[in-house]
Amino acid sequence: KQEVTQIPAALSVPEGENLVLNCSFTDSAIYNLQWFRQDPGKGLTSLLLIQSSQREQTSGRLNASLDKSSGRSTLYIAASQPGDSATYLCAVRRINDYKLSFGAGTTVTVRA
Amino acid sequence: DTGVSQDPRHKITKRGQNVTFRCDPISEHNRLYWYRQTLGQGPEFLTYFQNEAQLEKSRLLSDRFSAERPKGSFSTLEIQRTEQGDSAMYLCASSPNLGGVYEQYFGPGTRLTVT
Repeated sequence: KQEVTQIPAALSVPEGENLVLNCSFTDSAIYNLQWFRQDPGKGLTSLLLIQSSQREQTSGRLNASLDKSSGRSTLYIAASQPGDSATYLCAVRRINDYKLSFGAGTTVTVRA
Repeated sequence: DTGVSQDPRHKITKRGQNVTFRCDPISEHNRLYWYRQTLGQGPEFLTYFQNEAQLEKSRLLSDRFSAERPKGSFSTLEIQRTEQGDSAMYLCASSPNLGGVYEQYFGPGTRLTVT
């Protein structure tokens, strides 16, 4: 069974600071990994998807890296803004599977 | 492309009642998924469809739960004889088949409260 862990569970930073969010998974036989954002009481918004053959993926201020052999992914958010306050979830899809296995998320607060 | 939609957004019901939720996927997405999320946790997989065929069900999906996707378009999730432990956010997602990637796009969710 794939176990996905996100540490820390919560993070509070001043505006402008760079954010580093960690995700680890136990089974390295993954097909891809997705990072999502979730605002309170809302659904999930896909931020980035990294294929298992890729090392990183970038979108604007967001950069996600993947080290499949060590079972880790990191989401970097540059120059954080109060609007970045949300819960960030990572999810992995195993090879020959279609469902996602999620971590519990990291709740980020960016203080103005 | 209007995104994945879910109806209703909120549902309050009394224990023992039946409830039904609807999900409309992004058009032409052939795969549709249901997840359940409780407070402070990540979503947990319930079931998924490829077109109208239900291909996998989680052990979380007890006999009180049933899902359908007639004609491979919208899907419904029914919970019979609801229990307080069924209180959660029910999320629907859909994905296209683009080179086998199957990136999942989520709807806004249905918040169920069982009193």
